[in-house]
Amino acid sequence: GENVEQHPSTLSVQEGDSAVIKCTYSDSASNYFPWYKQELGKGPQLIIDIRSNVGEKKDQRIAVTLNKTAKHFSLHITETQPEDSAVYFCAASTGGSTLGRLYFGRGTQLTVWP
Amino acid sequence: DTEVTQTPKHLVMGMTNKKSLKCEQHMGHRAMYWYKQKAKKPPELMFVYSYEKLSINESVPSRFSPECPNSSLLNLHLHALQPEDSALYLCASSPRLAGGSGANVLTFGAGSRLTVL
Repeated sequence: GENVEQHPSTLSVQEGDSAVIKCTYSDSASNYFPWYKQELGKGPQLIIDIRSNVGEKKDQRIAVTLNKTAKHFSLHITETQPEDSAVYFCAASTGGSTLGRLYFGRGTQLTVWP
Repeated sequence: DTEVTQTPKHLVMGMTNKKSLKCEQHMGHRAMYWYKQKAKKPPELMFVYSYEKLSINESVPSRFSPECPNSSLLNLHLHALQPEDSALYLCASSPRLAGGSGANVLTFGAGSRLTVL
């Protein structure tokens, strides 16, 4: 099945700096790549996603890039704020026999220092 | 309404108890999911329902029994659990499993924190 690797496991940045989290996947059939933010005591919240027919997507301070050839995708957060502190999970999914399954990375604990 | 509501938020039970976790969504989604999440780990898929029928069971022990009474509700019945079953149980929903843009975009609830003594 699909294997998603996520790096780094922890990331500390100063407020206002940028943060980048990287993920790789193994199944070339994967076609949907969401990013979730999970704050303490809450469920994961979708913050941005990208499909395999698109190379980059932006939403205000958040962007995701996808390189299908290299099988990696990245989350970029600019002008970080303390409220961006959370655990971020990348994920990948495909259709076929794995329909309905999301394969998650192990998560990145992002801490933004004021 | 763009929420998935889970009750209870916290549950403490003994190994001989029977309890249930409940999940509700009113977004018209036809796929609903149960995930288990241990501390500092990603969510692990347990069950998936599509159009009220069980579509995926990830070899979950029979002490966990899912139920989907209608398209808006999802239950997880718990019986004879073990202390290692203590975790955050997350419910999620998506428009459907396949077909069309946004079909498999998951919306998660806040979770039910389960402690088994």
